[in-house]
Amino acid sequence: DTAVSQTPKYLVTQMGNDKSIKCEQNLGHDTMYWYKQDSKKFLKIMFSYNNKELIINETVPNRFSPKSPDKAHLNLHINSLELGDSAVYFCASSQDPTFADTQYFGPGTRLTVL
Amino acid sequence: AQSVTQLDSQVPVFEEAPVELRCNYSSSVSVYLFWYVQYPNQGLQLLLKYLSGSTLVKGINGFEAEFNKSQTSFHLRKPSVHISDTAEYFCAVSVSNAGGTSYGKLTFGQGTILTVHP
Repeated sequence: DTAVSQTPKYLVTQMGNDKSIKCEQNLGHDTMYWYKQDSKKFLKIMFSYNNKELIINETVPNRFSPKSPDKAHLNLHINSLELGDSAVYFCASSQDPTFADTQYFGPGTRLTVL
Repeated sequence: AQSVTQLDSQVPVFEEAPVELRCNYSSSVSVYLFWYVQYPNQGLQLLLKYLSGSTLVKGINGFEAEFNKSQTSFHLRKPSVHISDTAEYFCAVSVSNAGGTSYGKLTFGQGTILTVHP
């Protein structure tokens, strides 16, 4: 009965490849997020979707494309992977983004680009 | 733009001792403040948050934090720590726009690693 789940947990790939990370939440929340945590543990928001609509889009390369097929899923597709993309990517969800609701985080996906 | 500074990157402490993890923020508008904890190889979990009202906020696992607007601080405290409190702690801020709403965009500090020794 995991609240926010991500697959895969680990992802090792070569430079130039395209990969996807999937996120699902079973909390009935309307809002989902993607965060990137770099090697220094600095955590930064990338995207946020509310009811499948993009509401936050930080300065992220176009190679990153989020896709929300429904409210419970927010996937992250990355094209032409670069060494600097190596990080831990966290998905999160909250009921309502407009009232600083608690965000629930998934366990993370550790991406290593060789 | 808002920013968060966690003044200590690492805090070692002995079991049953008190601890304070410091957090300062900068923002020109009203803010909501959060403390999250990250245990090894896990996602972040909310400890507590300040939205409005009483400046002393109590959270889970015996933690509390005090919002100090004049000093723009939101320090986290626990009177007696346990081995199981060993983790990394993140302070975060969400900016309130006009009308008191925010769009859930959390800005995180750099994290403080709390290590509790027996």
